[in-house]
Amino acid sequence: DSGVTQTPKHLITATGQRVTLRCSPRSGDLSVYWYQQSLDQGLQFLIQYYNGEERAKGNILERFSAQQFPDLHSELNLSSLELGDSALYFCASSVMVDNSPLHFGNGTRLTVT
Amino acid sequence: SQKIEQNSEALNIQEGKTATLTCNYTNYSPAYLQWYRQDPGRGPVFLLLIRENEKEKRKERLKVTFDTTLKQSLFHITASQPADSATYLCALARTYGNEKLTFGTGTRLTIIP
Repeated sequence: DSGVTQTPKHLITATGQRVTLRCSPRSGDLSVYWYQQSLDQGLQFLIQYYNGEERAKGNILERFSAQQFPDLHSELNLSSLELGDSALYFCASSVMVDNSPLHFGNGTRLTVT
Repeated sequence: SQKIEQNSEALNIQEGKTATLTCNYTNYSPAYLQWYRQDPGRGPVFLLLIRENEKEKRKERLKVTFDTTLKQSLFHITASQPADSATYLCALARTYGNEKLTFGTGTRLTIIP
């Protein structure tokens, strides 16, 4: 068990809708990362937060947004959903000191119909 | 553009033999490289990290090498077992803060009994 909790595990929704994915990092980790994994793209970095502040941004669409709250949990908001947004969304956390490894949750599987 | 390539999508190895996976990168000067294991439907799990100034790292039956001249890392599993069957991902970061840690697409390893 990585200690990273993601909810929900599965989400099925229709095109055009908006969803929120939630992540609780491992106790003591200040940094949270969001990744998208689809069959043809592999793990794509979306965004990173450190202690509530945005730290790095990857290929995150404008329809997607995220935040990290004072209690360090994070939410990824996906809006105006399209079929192509169907994927596994992973959250990871790390201590963020000197090459610390990422600890991943087991993901939220999003299906857009 | 920056690219990370893992030698093949799938690799089948006889039980007891050494499995060798390759990670090649271009247009990168990584500060360090990490290897992860991912089982179906689960998040990646950290295995090993090797820094740019290190040639080799070992952990039990695992060994990683890092050649910054060849821009290549090799990941070895000795005395392979069916339980080693999984997808293995390499990941690179340009800085020491895990910012924008970028993953390869992975190699699916199957150990045949």
